[in-house]
Amino acid sequence: SYELTQPPSVSVSPGQTARITCSADALSKQYAYWYQQKPGQAPVVVIYRDRERPSGIPERFSGSSSGTTVTLTISGVQAEDEADYYCQSADNSGINDWVFGGGTKLAVL
Amino acid sequence: EVQLVQSGAELKKAGESLRISCQGSGHFFDSYWIAWVRQMPGKGLERMGIISPGDSDTRYSPSFRGQVTISVDKSISTAYVQWSSLKASDTAIYYCARLHGYYGLDIWGQGTAVSVSS
Repeated sequence: SYELTQPPSVSVSPGQTARITCSADALSKQYAYWYQQKPGQAPVVVIYRDRERPSGIPERFSGSSSGTTVTLTISGVQAEDEADYYCQSADNSGINDWVFGGGTKLAVL
Repeated sequence: EVQLVQSGAELKKAGESLRISCQGSGHFFDSYWIAWVRQMPGKGLERMGIISPGDSDTRYSPSFRGQVTISVDKSISTAYVQWSSLKASDTAIYYCARLHGYYGLDIWGQGTAVSVSS
């Protein structure tokens, strides 16, 4: 089965830049999406189609893609950004062929 | 405002049946697939399956096929997940979400916590 690989955890100090990666072969051909989930809350999409930011998401959130790796970058991290982050993508274009990565816990120290 | 509202928390015993719901508001429900996502305690997000409210076309993830039934009543803009015989391992939070072809899973329900005791 298709898998997206994320680091289990990333730690940064406030004001620094956090980068969370997601890797899989088909990421060079399929879009990726990123979701933020804070404790006790439903996930929220923060990046769609690799690098697009929904309205209402702060500009410090950005996405990029290079080959088989996509990256979520949070510039000038704030304490409120501490959360779990999940990437989502598919191995082909089927409507039900998408999966989530295992998630990355972002700790703001 | 477009939103998905899920049914409340459930406390059940193993072997019991259960149906949880996800009701959409706004005039979008027929136009987008609805996804169901499981989150077991302390774990990540897992795709269970999707349903098209317009024609009830349902696609299950391999791990969930035969374990749950996903259905929809478009007359009341409500999607469902049903278990015929719960197991303790079904203890989780279950989310519904709108699957938008461009924006991804752009609208989420608040989640339904299901706790199954053995």
